Amino acid sequence: EPEVTQTPSHQVTQMGQEVILRCVPISNHLYFYWYRQILGQKVEFLVSFYNNEISEKSEIFDDQFSVERPDGSNFTLKIRSTKLEDSAMYFCASRPPSGSPLHFGNGTRLTVT
Amino acid sequence: EDKVVQSPLSLVVHEGDTVTLNCSYEVTNFRSLLWYKQEKKAPTFLFMLTSSGIEKKSGRLSSILDKKELFSILNITATQTGDSAVYLCAVPPNAGGTSYGKLTFGQGTILTVHP
Repeated sequence: EPEVTQTPSHQVTQMGQEVILRCVPISNHLYFYWYRQILGQKVEFLVSFYNNEISEKSEIFDDQFSVERPDGSNFTLKIRSTKLEDSAMYFCASRPPSGSPLHFGNGTRLTVT
Repeated sequence: EDKVVQSPLSLVVHEGDTVTLNCSYEVTNFRSLLWYKQEKKAPTFLFMLTSSGIEKKSGRLSSILDKKELFSILNITATQTGDSAVYLCAVPPNAGGTSYGKLTFGQGTILTVHP
């Protein structure tokens, strides 16, 4: 069964550094999302992406965040200047055009020191 | 703002027990409710419920929705150690396109099944 793949599985970075989290959504899906889960807290929506542009973003998704689909397969989340509070599990998700449920990747655990 | 509350927050049982997990929601213009299982990594989809009173079943797991009382339950019978996970309940907004994937999650129920 096709799946959403994310790399790396774990990323450690120093405060102030830039990180890029990578995702390969399922190939026939058209809608793409990033979510994050701070340890012990709820899974939270960050941003949705369709037709090569952001559709919606949450309050969390401020100017330090950006997303890109640089080619036909990859979908990236960039955090420009990481802060300690950005430490979390970041999940990529995608879904097909119908009202089907989201398929999540295994996540990237980001640790900012 | 949509709201999802799950209970209990954690549950410890022994293999063979039956468990019931609860999810209550407040949504403007309900569309569906989803259950996911999260075992350390990706939430994996279990059920999508749209209609009241119609049970969805998959093996030992089943779920039902009550749109009048605004809640859903997830039942697991004859639990096994492999059922140990966080069970998440989520609702989408009543909108199509990309908005349909903008899920509001509950805080999850941590289920631990001991041998």
